[in-house]
Amino acid sequence: EAGVAQSPRYKIIEKRQSVAFWCNPISGHATLYWYQQILGQGPKLLIQFQNNGVVDDSQLPKDRFSAERLKGVDSTLKIQPAKLEDSAVYLCASKRTGLSSGNTIYFGEGSWLTVV
Amino acid sequence: AQSVSQHNHHVILSEAASLELGCNYSYGGTVNLFWYVQYPGQHLQLLLKYFSGDPLVKGIKGFEAEFIKSKFSFNLRKPSVQWSDTAEYFCAVNALPGANNLFFGTGTRLTVIP
Repeated sequence: EAGVAQSPRYKIIEKRQSVAFWCNPISGHATLYWYQQILGQGPKLLIQFQNNGVVDDSQLPKDRFSAERLKGVDSTLKIQPAKLEDSAVYLCASKRTGLSSGNTIYFGEGSWLTVV
Repeated sequence: AQSVSQHNHHVILSEAASLELGCNYSYGGTVNLFWYVQYPGQHLQLLLKYFSGDPLVKGIKGFEAEFIKSKFSFNLRKPSVQWSDTAEYFCAVNALPGANNLFFGTGTRLTVIP
């Protein structure tokens, strides 16, 4: 079974520029998550999709971050304009159904963003 | 609100030493508990999880964890570490019913010296 795919793996941009990250979850996984992991901290949820609908985006800084999962499979996370404090690893994860069913969340390798 | 505390930020052990990493959570209801590991340059991988039943759960690579409800703890243990266990370890929790995502601790970096 292929894992969660993310690209690009690394990105360096200047502040106020924009960046987009792409994620392809494990086939058949209806739930998709984007987490932000700042150096020295644990991952923090940004947004959760169930198929193509948003379940939870309460922690997403909506003035600069946006995410979509139009066809319920791939997802894109965009930051515009970027700030220095957005430097982090952006993790995509997927799961077969809702967490309460007991299924495991699988993580991608992450997209490392450095804002200079 | 849920929160997870990992008090050990960096642990250094020699090979064959025993390991215990602390994890405490704050939530009064039913929880699912997880330990994830992140080897250098790799993605987060599930070590073990507790949903219900026997509070002592065994995971991959000889790791185990014990859920102590009265202490709100889910400590990770391994009787004899190897150099290859060098990694970052994250405890995570989700609260039931209906919670859909994981709350992570800040992680514990383990360095095993050959």
